[in-house]
Amino acid sequence: SQTIHQWPATLVQPVGSPLSLECTVEGTSNPNLYWYRQAAGRGLQLLFYSVGIGQISSEVPQNLSASRPQDRQFILSSKKLLLSDSGFYLCAWSVWGPPGTPSTDTQYFGPGTRLTVL
Amino acid sequence: QKEVEQDPGPLSVPEGAIVSLNCTYSNSAFQYFMWYRQYSRKGPELLMYTYSSGNKEDGRFTAQVDKSSKYISLFIRDSQPSDSATYLCAMAGAGSYQLTFGKGTKLSVIP
Repeated sequence: SQTIHQWPATLVQPVGSPLSLECTVEGTSNPNLYWYRQAAGRGLQLLFYSVGIGQISSEVPQNLSASRPQDRQFILSSKKLLLSDSGFYLCAWSVWGPPGTPSTDTQYFGPGTRLTVL
Repeated sequence: QKEVEQDPGPLSVPEGAIVSLNCTYSNSAFQYFMWYRQYSRKGPELLMYTYSSGNKEDGRFTAQVDKSSKYISLFIRDSQPSDSATYLCAMAGAGSYQLTFGKGTKLSVIP
């Protein structure tokens, strides 16, 4: 079965500090990978998605970036955090492929990282 | 008009009650519909998905889709305190990698 891990679980960082959040998936190969942010009262917002190693697409302009150095590893980074970066960050995976099929559109989420920027 | 509307609640019901959770949507291109359950401070967990109008049943849960009315529902029978969580509807199939989520309905099942 597939398992998705995220760490750290909780993070408190000062404004202006760097950020690195990691996500790994087990039990599947070549998945689509996603980073979402969930802010209170605002629902889930897709930040980045990746369909393969080194292939990153950004959905929302911001001071965050993403990388996929290995097939099942997805990293979310920032060089300088802003107060507005606070939130609950979720990594998700789906079967590889373009959108438009039940298997590629069904996304499975990790446990999340709660980030507080002070 | 927002793409997906979901009543945020909170919804409080006694144990054993039938719960009805609903979402409406405006984009007729959506083809696949999902319900996620999210416990406090946890990631969303996929409960059910369906891609056609009609009902789909899984244990105590029934997902219902009415594409003509752009309306989806999740029914929970014999609700339990462990069902207390936020329920998110999500939609896909409009050609985007992004799932479109409702904002979630917070449910409390009181023993």
